[in-house]
Amino acid sequence: DGGITQSPKYLFRKEGQNVTLSCEQNLNHDAMYWYRQDPGQGLRLIYYSQIVNDFQKGDIAEGYSVSREKKESFPLTVTSAQKNPTAFYLCASSDQWGQLSNQPQHFGDGTRLSIL
Amino acid sequence: AQKVTQAQTEISVVEKEDVTLDCVYETRDTTYYLFWYKQPPSGELVFLIRRNSFDEQNEISGRYSWNFQKSTSSFNFTITASQVVDSAVYFCALRWSGGSNYKLTFGKGTLLTVNP
Repeated sequence: DGGITQSPKYLFRKEGQNVTLSCEQNLNHDAMYWYRQDPGQGLRLIYYSQIVNDFQKGDIAEGYSVSREKKESFPLTVTSAQKNPTAFYLCASSDQWGQLSNQPQHFGDGTRLSIL
Repeated sequence: AQKVTQAQTEISVVEKEDVTLDCVYETRDTTYYLFWYKQPPSGELVFLIRRNSFDEQNEISGRYSWNFQKSTSSFNFTITASQVVDSAVYFCALRWSGGSNYKLTFGKGTLLTVNP
C-alpha cells in the first residue's frame, strides 16, 4: 500500500541530545513537509522540501534541521538548540508544488517526542 | 497575511445530532484552496475535502456537507446524524500563494466528541 511511514511512534530525548525522526513515502511525491502540533495550537510548519537536495524553512525552523537526499525520505533532526521539543510531529507529502497547486497533503501517523 | 480561524475549540453532541464546524479564513489572494482534515485519536490527518476559490458550490458526501461562502469568507462543515466514529479533531486549512511559496495554513482545530 502507498503511504507515509513515520518512525518511531514514540521518542524520548535527553537534555543536550539530538534526535532524528524518520519519514519515508512511497507515493512518488515531490514535496514533503514537517509539522509540529502542540495542544490547542494546530499544526505549524517546520520545514518543507519541493525537490531532492532542496528544502526551505517554515514558520518555526529554529532548533530543527532536515535533509532531502532521496525523493522518498525527509528526516527531521531535533537539535539540542530546540528548548521545548515536546510535541507531536507530523510528516506530509504532496504530489505537486507549483503555482496553484491544489493537491492535498497526505500525512503520516506522527511521532510523539518527549523530554526525559 | 493569511489566517484560518476555527472559533469552536470543543463541541460535544449526542449521537444522531447534526453538528456544524465553523471555519473563517483571511487571505489577500484571489486564488486559493481550502481543505478540511480529520484527525482521529490515532493521530494521522485524513484528507476530507478540497475546494478552490472559484467554486462556491456546496458539496455533499454521505453524511458530510460543506458550505463555502466567499462573501463571508467561511467554509463550514456539517455532519448529519453524527456517529461515535466521527469523534476527532477537525482542521480547516488554507493554501495560498505567498511569493514563491505555497504553504498550507491550518486553523487550531475543533475537537468533536460524539457521545452514545
